[in-house]
Amino acid sequence: RKEVEQDPGPFNVPEGATVAFNCTYSNSASQSFFWYRQDCRKEPKLLMSVYSSGNEDGRFTAQLNRASQYISLLIRDSKLSDSATYLCVVNSPGGYNKLIFGAGTRLAVHP
Amino acid sequence: EPEVTQTPSHQVTQMGQEVILRCVPISNHLYFYWYRQILGQKVEFLVSFYNNEISEKSEIFDDQFSVERPDGSNFTLKIRSTKLEDSAMYFCASSVGRGQETQYFGPGTRLLVL
Repeated sequence: RKEVEQDPGPFNVPEGATVAFNCTYSNSASQSFFWYRQDCRKEPKLLMSVYSSGNEDGRFTAQLNRASQYISLLIRDSKLSDSATYLCVVNSPGGYNKLIFGAGTRLAVHP
Repeated sequence: EPEVTQTPSHQVTQMGQEVILRCVPISNHLYFYWYRQILGQKVEFLVSFYNNEISEKSEIFDDQFSVERPDGSNFTLKIRSTKLEDSAMYFCASSVGRGQETQYFGPGTRLLVL
């Protein structure tokens, strides 16, 4: 089983749509969870951390289900500028904050 | 806003040559990392560095790789004898602490080994 697994997409959605991405992770001892965004040939940029209670940042909502080892990201009212690859990232427990990346889910928002 | 910087942005080298990739982490950060991303693949952890020593390294980080913090600001990754399969984007990252601290990534160095 992959350490962090994501649907690669692509998700092609019109502007204004709501889109949801899912991710599963294999190590139940992981403590930190993140969504990063990566534009083509650029560095990963933190979109948001994911907390057990769920958290929201504007149009973005992240949820964590520890029992199912499942993380989600919901984007409401998609903008053209949301087009990117969304990386689910989990820390490796017990170490020095080594991050384990999923392969990413590609989102393309069209007019 | 403080950011991680990396030089060079692109490096082309011949197989067997040594390369040094440079990074300047955010100034009050204490933990430093190198990751790489082969074209079309996921980002992979190489090494973490704290208090002037390697704290963790992956299987990728073999004897051909080394890291150093030669002064108070720079953090370098050296590949001693490059191979074709070392061609990738190399990202430096830094964080204030460990645990749940956010890691901030530099813009990367694109390495091409011919």
